[in-house]
Amino acid sequence: NAGVTQTPKFRVLKTGQSMTLLCAQDMNHEYMYWYRQDPGMGLRLIHYSVGEGTTAKGEVPDGYNVSRLKKQNFLLGLESAAPSQTSVYFCASSYPRENGEQFFGPGTRLTVL
Amino acid sequence: QQQVKQSPQSLIVQKGGISIINCAYENTAFDYFPWYQQFPGKGPALLIAIRPDVSEKKEGRFTISFNKSAKQFSLHIMDSQPGDSATYFCAASMAGGYQKVTFGTGTKLQVIP
Repeated sequence: NAGVTQTPKFRVLKTGQSMTLLCAQDMNHEYMYWYRQDPGMGLRLIHYSVGEGTTAKGEVPDGYNVSRLKKQNFLLGLESAAPSQTSVYFCASSYPRENGEQFFGPGTRLTVL
Repeated sequence: QQQVKQSPQSLIVQKGGISIINCAYENTAFDYFPWYQQFPGKGPALLIAIRPDVSEKKEGRFTISFNKSAKQFSLHIMDSQPGDSATYFCAASMAGGYQKVTFGTGTKLQVIP
């Protein structure tokens, strides 16, 4: 089991460029999440999905879009990157039960110049 | 009312000492309090969790103390080891729907030999 994987691991963008971050999980989890981690701010939820074909906004959704076309994949898109989106992005997944453990991927470090 | 406040931001402890990290919350609807451990370059991983119907939970050298009336909880790491050096996040979530977890801002622990 690979668990939760993320690609790419690192990326540098110029302001205004677009990109997609891919998250994949092989644990058959229903729920998937995208977080961003910034120094002194902990982990903040961007978007989440409770099942294939569903997405919903989290705490900081502006400037991001997501899609969950397949149960095992959750994509995070930046249509027009801004320096404020420089961060480390984590994907996570969990079973569809309350207060269950979230399993995190290794992260993607994104720098927007 | 979703915030979880965590302190200190950083902590240096000598090997064999006790590491203590504190968290406080406002929302009384929170009913599950996990702690996540994150090593450099890795995603967070669940360390230990507690529900508010118990005042303490111990797993090996790690103990959560919970004070429901004060709306505070803390992580104690006994006999701290250099391998415990990591960032620790407290978190809180509530029942109902998807697993929205509110994370604290993190504590970077360094255990020195």
